[in-house]
Amino acid sequence: AQSVTQLGSHVSVSEGALVLLRCNYSSSVPPYLFWYVQYPNQGLQLLLKYTSAATLVKGINGFEAEFKKSETSFHLTKPSAHMSDAAEYFCAVSAGNRDDKIIFGKGTRLHILP
Amino acid sequence: GAVVSQHPSWVICKSGTSVKIECRSLDFQATTMFWYRQFPKQSLMLMATSNEGSKATYEQGVEKDKFLINHASLTLSTLTVTSAHPEDSSFYICSAPSGGYGYTFGSGTRLTVV
Repeated sequence: AQSVTQLGSHVSVSEGALVLLRCNYSSSVPPYLFWYVQYPNQGLQLLLKYTSAATLVKGINGFEAEFKKSETSFHLTKPSAHMSDAAEYFCAVSAGNRDDKIIFGKGTRLHILP
Repeated sequence: GAVVSQHPSWVICKSGTSVKIECRSLDFQATTMFWYRQFPKQSLMLMATSNEGSKATYEQGVEKDKFLINHASLTLSTLTVTSAHPEDSSFYICSAPSGGYGYTFGSGTRLTVV
């Protein structure tokens, strides 16, 4: 079975500061890992995904994440926060088969302070 | 890229009535569709997995007689909330594997039962 734990339901950073959203996973098989962003009353937008290739994954809008097997982590970072980054972020995991279900973490609300 | 069209985007219905939500894959074949429910300020919880031409698989605790899922073709999956009650009010989102180990999400349906 797969699961993800997102540390911190709310994270606040100043505009221009580093963004770090934490995600730890648990999986009985090599996982595929994802980060999604959700704006209010909207669907999900994929930021990036790890599918067993390079451990450092670059995504859209300047986000990136590093898969660390030894730490079972897949933290999301962005060097400089922008006001438009304020949203809900979800880490997710699947077992890696093409049609396998994707399990979401509880989400982290990112607040950007002016 | 792959698109899943979800309709309606919002619906208000009276308690006791049924509501149908449709998800269509527009430019790819969706043999599998995942249905999620999201309560306010919470994560996405997987309700069920539908596969074209076969019965849906429901997650533990989800009433299959209340949430009817039909996946009659490779491009259409529907979720019908039967005898809706206020506690069924939620945000419902569908998702389909769309190649490249990716998933495409619908834009969601906001259901309000009054």
